[in-house]
Amino acid sequence: AQSVTQLDSQVPVFEEAPVELRCNYSSSVSVYLFWYVQYPNQGLQLLLKYLSGSTLVESINGFEAEFNKSQTSFHLRKPSVHISDTAEYFCAVSEPSGGYNKLIFGAGTRLAVHP
Amino acid sequence: KAGVTQTPRYLIKTRGQQVTLSCSPISGHRSVSWYQQTPGQGLQFLFEYFSETQRNKGNFPGRFSGRQFSNSRSEMNVSTLELGDSALYLCASSPTGTDTQYFGPGTRLTVL
Repeated sequence: AQSVTQLDSQVPVFEEAPVELRCNYSSSVSVYLFWYVQYPNQGLQLLLKYLSGSTLVESINGFEAEFNKSQTSFHLRKPSVHISDTAEYFCAVSEPSGGYNKLIFGAGTRLAVHP
Repeated sequence: KAGVTQTPRYLIKTRGQQVTLSCSPISGHRSVSWYQQTPGQGLQFLFEYFSETQRNKGNFPGRFSGRQFSNSRSEMNVSTLELGDSALYLCASSPTGTDTQYFGPGTRLTVL
């Protein structure tokens, strides 16, 4: 069965520093990959997604993620973080052949941006 | 377009009771999925409905059930509530032909 591993449960970082949140998935079959962000007491917001095509995907607020099939990874990066980026980030995967709209989530990474 | 809406936002029940949660998808979305989020188990898939039919189901007991109406609105029901059912229940809708899901704000269920 497909699984997702987020290697860091918490990542503290200073404002304007770069950050990388790591995500690995278990299966090498064709997958769709997603990053979601959750602010306190809110639902999940889609940050970015990889469905096909270019392996580097970007969000409108400066985050990017690169799909690496050989390493089964989809790490999230931002070159300079802001206080407002403090939130929990979830990596998720779905298998186009594995069932409709069923997302498998990682355990989440709590990003804490300090001034 | 309005986003996914869920009602109620907060709910307190006692053990043994049952509860019904409601989800209205984004206009035009026919797929609705439900997830449970707890500190211990994280985010877990419950089930997914499309055109009033359950297409996929996660590993939850039969106490958890759902349905979808002709207008794509969905309800989730939990019978004989247990303390461990305390969680944030998230609903997500998806446009036809994509695996991209858009989440609502969730319903926070507390079982006492």
